[in-house]
Amino acid sequence: AQSVAQPEDQVNVAEGNPLTVKCTYSVSGNPYLFWYVQYPNRGLQFLLKYITGDNLVKGSYGFEAEFNKSQTSFHLKKPSALVSDSALYFCAVRDIAHTGRRALTFGSGTRLQVQP
Amino acid sequence: ETGVTQTPRHLVMGMTNKKSLKCEQHLGHNAMYWYKQSAKKPLELMFVYSLEERVENNSVPSRFSPECPNSSHLFLHLHTLQPEDSALYLCASSQGYQENTGELFFGEGSRLTVL
Repeated sequence: AQSVAQPEDQVNVAEGNPLTVKCTYSVSGNPYLFWYVQYPNRGLQFLLKYITGDNLVKGSYGFEAEFNKSQTSFHLKKPSALVSDSALYFCAVRDIAHTGRRALTFGSGTRLQVQP
Repeated sequence: ETGVTQTPRHLVMGMTNKKSLKCEQHLGHNAMYWYKQSAKKPLELMFVYSLEERVENNSVPSRFSPECPNSSHLFLHLHTLQPEDSALYLCASSQGYQENTGELFFGEGSRLTVL
């Protein structure tokens, strides 16, 4: 079975400081990994994904994430946070080896609060 | 016009009512999904349709009944719901299912309250 853990319900950071939102995953094969963002009263929006290749992937709005196979992690990062980054962030995984389950499995979400 | 449109945005219903949630995608995709979002819980996959055929069903109670009449429309029929079914129901679509690399396009959701 595939699963995702986001250990922090909320992350608080001051504007201009770097931010990290943590994600760990569990799959039986190789993973596809994703980050999505949800702004208030909106659906989820795709931010970035790791499929293969370079472990550091860059996405929308200056976000990036690093795939670490040994630690089974895919943390989301940004060098300098903006107040407008305040939102709910979801990590998701798809196990390539799991042929019966193609849809993504999501975590519980981490609320990012950026203070001015 | 947004890519994935969900109606109604808000719905309040009693436990004996029958109602339906509607989702329409204007992206030419051929796979559609229903997810349930409850506070502080993982997003729960409910159903997946690919080329109008149900391909995933995640042990969802029979009081939720999906329908996919064509590749652009997806419904979730609701009857005799329980208060714990109150949540945000999200519809999503993607181009391809088996070969999809995971980029889903979500609607804004239907907020359901069961009294």
